[in-house]
Amino acid sequence: SYELTQPPSVSVSPGQTARITCSGDALPKKYPYWYQQKSGQAPVLVIYEDSKRPSGIPERFSGSSSGTMATLTISGAQVEDEADYYCYSTDSSGNRVFGGGTKLTVL
Amino acid sequence: EVQLVESGGGLVKPGGSLRLSCAASGFTFSSYSMNWVRQAPGKGLEWVSSISSSSSYIYYADSVKGRFTISRDNAKNSLYLQMNSLRAEDTAVYYCARDSFSGYGAARQAYFDYWGQGTLVTVSS
Repeated sequence: SYELTQPPSVSVSPGQTARITCSGDALPKKYPYWYQQKSGQAPVLVIYEDSKRPSGIPERFSGSSSGTMATLTISGAQVEDEADYYCYSTDSSGNRVFGGGTKLTVL
Repeated sequence: EVQLVESGGGLVKPGGSLRLSCAASGFTFSSYSMNWVRQAPGKGLEWVSSISSSSSYIYYADSVKGRFTISRDNAKNSLYLQMNSLRAEDTAVYYCARDSFSGYGAARQAYFDYWGQGTLVTVSS
């Protein structure tokens, strides 16, 4: 079955740039999406179609993709950005897959 | 404002059944495909099931196929998940999530744009 691979954790200091990666064989042909999930809360879409931000998502969140790797970048990470981040995509058959999640620590 | 509110979670014994509901508001429910996504305690997100706007197309994860049934009532703006033969590994927070789509034709791709707050299902004796 299709898999999306993320690092388990990323740690940065406030104001630094955080980068969270997601690798998957189908990413050259399928968009990656990114969800933020703060402790005890539901996931929130922060990036869709590789690099687009939904309304209300701060500009410091951006997405990019190259080959089989997608990257979520948080420029000038803030304490309130501390959360779990999940990449999501589909395979060539349309099966829906989440990455294992990355815990972002900002301290 | 899009709102999705789940209900029906609780404690159930292994082998038991439970029916989850999701009440939708703030959008034209009958125009959107809907999903259930779950998250076991301390674990990641797992897609469970999808249903198209008119219930014509229904899909399940292999882990729940044959035990769970998704349905909807567009007149009541509601989504349901009937869960039978429950197992300990079904213990999770169950989220209702709305579908959106990007791309066209063969490149068409589904993703979740809005989520409810979730309802906890605990399967334990």
